[in-house]
Amino acid sequence: GAGVSQSPRYKVAKRGQDVALRCDPISGHVSLFWYQQALGQGPEFLTYFQNEAQLDKSGLPSDRFFAERPEGSVSTLKIQRTQQEDSAVYLCASSFPVEGGDTGELFFGEGSRLTVL
Amino acid sequence: EDQVTQSPEALRLQEGESSSLNCSYTVSGLRGLFWYRQDPGKGPEFLFTLYSAGEEKEKERLKATLTKKESFLHITAPKPEDSATYLCASSGGSYIPTFGRGTSLIVHP
Repeated sequence: GAGVSQSPRYKVAKRGQDVALRCDPISGHVSLFWYQQALGQGPEFLTYFQNEAQLDKSGLPSDRFFAERPEGSVSTLKIQRTQQEDSAVYLCASSFPVEGGDTGELFFGEGSRLTVL
Repeated sequence: EDQVTQSPEALRLQEGESSSLNCSYTVSGLRGLFWYRQDPGKGPEFLFTLYSAGEEKEKERLKATLTKKESFLHITAPKPEDSATYLCASSGGSYIPTFGRGTSLIVHP
């Protein structure tokens, strides 16, 4: 596709339910990021992949959060036993690293808005 | 730990009234300072990357500048369609961009 695609765009979950959020990056983009954005806040880093390798997961708020990118393309962010504080927009971004390893410009999807009741 | 602080949190301008947004950053070994625009219900859209102090970049009514501690996004003669949240981010040794909370800009006709 032309851009980063995320699904579902909107998800309502009952507290305790498991959810899975999908990200389809731009074809050929090596780097993939997940960010969490609460209302009125900036994006907060969750995790980073280079191809299929998860190089940094320091931003995942608890062990209920899990991300994977098994074939180095599509990524899934899974949240187990959702809590109300998990309500936020989850943004996925991809990039093609520039010379020197810098991640360069990030291309963001439109996000998945999660509401936990 | 990388930190990015943006000010003001919100800014209201009349059409044609020029102003500047501020981004203060603390990062070990700056690799890039980024500006993004975010419209309601959308993901951030890339505007600029600045790499070293003294660098400037322009795009239409926007100009981004960089010093060793701050970046400014100057908006010249803004139009209502410039209304959006402007996000600043920095990346250092980890290559992972750290974002500020953004400045919400409203331009009245």
